[in-house]
Amino acid sequence: QQQVKQSPQSLIVQKGGISIINCAYENTAFDYFPWYQQFPGKGPALLIAIRPDVSEKKEGRFTISFNKSAKQFSLHIMDSQPGDSATYFCAANREYGNKLVFGAGTILRVKS
Amino acid sequence: GAGVSQSPSNKVTEKGKDVELRCDPISGHTALYWYRQSLGQGLEFLIYFQGNSAPDKSGLPSDRFSAERTGGSVSTLTIQRTQQEDSAVYLCASSLGLNQETQYFGPGTRLLVL
Repeated sequence: QQQVKQSPQSLIVQKGGISIINCAYENTAFDYFPWYQQFPGKGPALLIAIRPDVSEKKEGRFTISFNKSAKQFSLHIMDSQPGDSATYFCAANREYGNKLVFGAGTILRVKS
Repeated sequence: GAGVSQSPSNKVTEKGKDVELRCDPISGHTALYWYRQSLGQGLEFLIYFQGNSAPDKSGLPSDRFSAERTGGSVSTLTIQRTQQEDSAVYLCASSLGLNQETQYFGPGTRLLVL
């Protein structure tokens, strides 16, 4: 059972463009939604995270938008750069839970 | 400061052999997690430790998989009688504590079962 669905599987964006990755979840007990960035040969690294008491969180060029009623959240990368080319994973877990449930990942390529 | 380290970085084994994968968490982190990443897939939770105890082993795929943690630090994931479907990247993460603390991942061990 896939509890977090992520789309698209891959994405190509021109330098300076906006990259958008979407995730949807099923378990209403989830209340913590991080995004991880993974470069080839490396482990995932936390990029940004949000809790459902806010609808948006911005850190630099990265923004999470959260829609609690639709059970959806998305990552926006503004002014995308070639160095942003990586695999991005959304994830979720519940309060007092510890295991992260991950989406399948999105391979982002930013063309210069 | 040192991050999470894992060894070996790569492991090739024959079907039916046993393998041990090691994880050294960040010093002072009490929680430790194992995940598996198959080709083109997301990360799949296997097990987590709080101290030396494993409250949640629900992600272990079969009884061929086991893990232990000693001294509240190093953890070993053991796969017995490996099968080709065990081929994947095994990732370890640690966090200061529980309850949605940021999980810091190691580089992973790439396991190939021939």
